[in-house]
Amino acid sequence: DAGVIQSPRHEVTEMGQEVTLRCKPISGHDYLFWYRQTMMRGLELLIYFNNNVPIDDSGMPEDRFSAKMPNASFSTLKIQPSEPRDSAVYFCASSLKGGNTEAFFGQGTRLTVV
Amino acid sequence: GENVGLHLPTLSVQEGDNSIINCAYSNSASDYFIWYKQESGKGPQFIIDIRSNMDKRQGQRVTVLLNKTVKHLSLQIAATQPGDSAVYFCAEGFTGGFKTIFGAGTRLFVKA
Repeated sequence: DAGVIQSPRHEVTEMGQEVTLRCKPISGHDYLFWYRQTMMRGLELLIYFNNNVPIDDSGMPEDRFSAKMPNASFSTLKIQPSEPRDSAVYFCASSLKGGNTEAFFGQGTRLTVV
Repeated sequence: GENVGLHLPTLSVQEGDNSIINCAYSNSASDYFIWYKQESGKGPQFIIDIRSNMDKRQGQRVTVLLNKTVKHLSLQIAATQPGDSAVYFCAEGFTGGFKTIFGAGTRLFVKA
């Protein structure tokens, strides 16, 4: 398996534009997580899914952020409209059984909003 | 107020020495603990895990110790190498839970 695949690796966009980040989890994993990492706040959990259903989105900072998982092999995190303070590295991770198994992380998407 | 960045604890060791990275976890109900390693430009990567019915677990060059009484976790790296330089995160979860909670991380520098 190729692991968790995220795209794009880097994204530079102007303030106000819509940004969509993509993730393909490891096949067979029931859980998918979106994290954001910044120097200021470290690694923050934004939202996670179990069997394609959003379980907890309490980490999503604002209504500008939304995430979907239309099927077991694909998820998106969308920011609309984007702001400079959204600049961060966004990680997607998947795991087999959730809180008591290891999570496998993608390489991340480095987002810069100018 | 003025924004300040996260000041990660930093550990600097000489190549060949042993490293010990410590972590305090927060939830008494947590029964599963993981150490992750994050190299520059990459996502966190699993190193070793331990369940609460154990006090110690060994892997290749790494050992994790768990003290449930004081909610403390440590990662020991034997014969530290330059390739071990990274940020190390401890994470906690619990059986039946859905997610793991990450600590702030510790940066390890290995001096050649």
